Amino acid sequence: QKEVEQDPGPLSVPEGAIVSLNCTYSNSAFQYFMWYRQYSRKGPELLMYTYSSGNKEDGRFTAQVDKSSKYISLFIRDSQPSDSATYLCAISRGNEKLTFGTGTRLTIIP
Amino acid sequence: SAVISQKPSRDICQRGTSLTIQCQVDSQVTMMFWYRQQPGQSLTLIATANQGSEATYESGFVIDKFPISRPNLTFSTLTVSNMSPEDSSIYLCSVGFGTGGEKLFFGSGTQLSVL
Repeated sequence: QKEVEQDPGPLSVPEGAIVSLNCTYSNSAFQYFMWYRQYSRKGPELLMYTYSSGNKEDGRFTAQVDKSSKYISLFIRDSQPSDSATYLCAISRGNEKLTFGTGTRLTIIP
Repeated sequence: SAVISQKPSRDICQRGTSLTIQCQVDSQVTMMFWYRQQPGQSLTLIATANQGSEATYESGFVIDKFPISRPNLTFSTLTVSNMSPEDSSIYLCSVGFGTGGEKLFFGSGTQLSVL
């Protein structure tokens, strides 16, 4: 079983829709949960960072961690064409390497 | 945060040759990381490079194939040696911040194609 699973998509939604991106993980010891956004031919950029459980909001983006279900989510409200990218989840126990999901390719259709 | 410059951005190489990728950071950092990103696969850590010591390689990666230099706190190189088509991939350098270094910042990557 992989430590983190992510639906690769691709996912296409109309502009203005709410987008939900998800990952599941297998080990309850993970404490740090990140979402990265990667545009074509660019390196990943850190989008959201959450420690332990709960929600974190930043503008149109909300990261949610449910440790009881080992499930993390990224919600994008009022999606824009500029949100079209690959989104990668990443998890860590801290003081060690990150484990990345395979990424979900998202396209926002104008 | 950090600004990371990586070059070359892309290259096409012949089988059996070597390519050295350079990574420059705009601030001093203790650890730099080298990742590989293959199509449809997750980012895979190749090695961690500390200044003044040998790099630490992850399982499946060896120094003879991926020698790394870290001459100072702002610069590192990764060499892909004796290349084969299986080495075609995106190679990324990164630096980590946060309590456990979990906040990674990446360069733009090097798209390598081996013929």
